[in-house]
Amino acid sequence: NAGVTQTPKFQVLKTGQSMTLQCAQDMNHNSMYWYRQDPGMGLRLIYYSASEGTTDKGEVPNGYNVSRLNKREFSLRLESAAPSQTSVYFCASSEWSVATNEKLFFGSGTQLSVL
Amino acid sequence: DAKTTQPNSMESNEEEPVHLPCNHSTISGTDYIHWYRQLPSQGPEYVIHGLTSNVNNRMASLAIAEDRKSSTLILHRATLRDAAVYYCILRYSGSSNTGKLIFGQGTTLQVKP
Repeated sequence: NAGVTQTPKFQVLKTGQSMTLQCAQDMNHNSMYWYRQDPGMGLRLIYYSASEGTTDKGEVPNGYNVSRLNKREFSLRLESAAPSQTSVYFCASSEWSVATNEKLFFGSGTQLSVL
Repeated sequence: DAKTTQPNSMESNEEEPVHLPCNHSTISGTDYIHWYRQLPSQGPEYVIHGLTSNVNNRMASLAIAEDRKSSTLILHRATLRDAAVYYCILRYSGSSNTGKLIFGQGTTLQVKP
């Protein structure tokens, strides 16, 4: 059972380049999330998707776009990368229930450096 | 969103209990208290959550104050593998998805052998 899978694990970009971070979950969860974590800091929510076909901004959405391709996949795109986007990116998924109150499951992260 | 306050860091000795405090004085009646932890170089993982009553699971216990303005995560016997950043987060209890969790900076727990 893979859980939440993120690709790639590492990426180096030059300023102005674009790229897409991929995330897939195999738990049939409705909700998916993208967070970023800067060194020594907590996680900040970039975008989330409550269900297939919907997306909403989080705390720090500027410079990013997302696509909820289907129930399994939620991608994060950087159209023109900037050094300030150097960070570790985490994808997560969840499903609400009375028992779990929407426990989140996280991927192992993508370490992105923008030079 | 209601905020939480945690100490930046704590130390513990291996095989001793650890009590990690969290203050949430602006908690509303519909907010659950969630705890996650993040081991080095990994994504966060769920630890425990509760609403009013104390909760136990295989990882930890959660003690919630009677007025719900504070809570304590209890690791009964700390091991070196418990060294991590521990996050206390409030989450609206309703079923509509406001399921996004807002993380603070958490408490970095060091466990000494």
